[in-house]
Amino acid sequence: EAGVTQFPSHSVIEKGQTVTLRCDPISGHDNLYWYRRVMGKEIKFLLHFVKESKQDESGMPNNRFLAERTGGTYSTLKVQPAELEDSGVYFCASSRMGQGENYGYTFGSGTRLTVV
Amino acid sequence: AQSVAQPEDQVNVAEGNPLTVKCTYSVSGNPYLFWYVQYPNRGLQFLLKYITGDNLVKGSYGFEAEFNKSQTSFHLKKPSALVSDSALYFCAVRDISSGSARQLTFGSGTQLTVLP
Repeated sequence: EAGVTQFPSHSVIEKGQTVTLRCDPISGHDNLYWYRRVMGKEIKFLLHFVKESKQDESGMPNNRFLAERTGGTYSTLKVQPAELEDSGVYFCASSRMGQGENYGYTFGSGTRLTVV
Repeated sequence: AQSVAQPEDQVNVAEGNPLTVKCTYSVSGNPYLFWYVQYPNRGLQFLLKYITGDNLVKGSYGFEAEFNKSQTSFHLKKPSALVSDSALYFCAVRDISSGSARQLTFGSGTQLTVLP
């Protein structure tokens, strides 16, 4: 099966601009997660979708971040307006219902966002 | 709140020698523990997990990890390192008794370099 696909792989934008990251999970995976790694630190949870519903968005840093998953397929993460501290690597992961917690998720290769 | 510590940012080991990448965790309940690896320009790949049962778990590429409840540790090991093992390694924990049970908490990562 195809893996989790993220694009773009890299994005460089200026402070104040808007960027939209996309994640295509593995087909049939109802769980979709966003994580990010900032400044070489730990990877932190952002939010969790079950199909099109936000199950847990406790990790979203502020209201400049908006995640959507219309139709329960692919997901987008929009940052508007971007700030310097938003720079980092944004990872998406997916899993089947009832499996991710025990078997580990499948992660994408990440989007490296640089805000200048 | 759950947390993971990877005390070493960098581990260097000679090819053929045993390697250890350290991880300690803190959870209020019972942990599910994971190791992930990130090769350059690749996504996070699942290596192994501890859910329950035997404290010594074996994973991909000859890696293994030992769950030590009294020391709250889950160190990653390999008897004989390969140059191709050079990568960034992340330890992660899920507290199954927590309300935020589905999300993973990651450590800050350890860069492993195997020298030829």
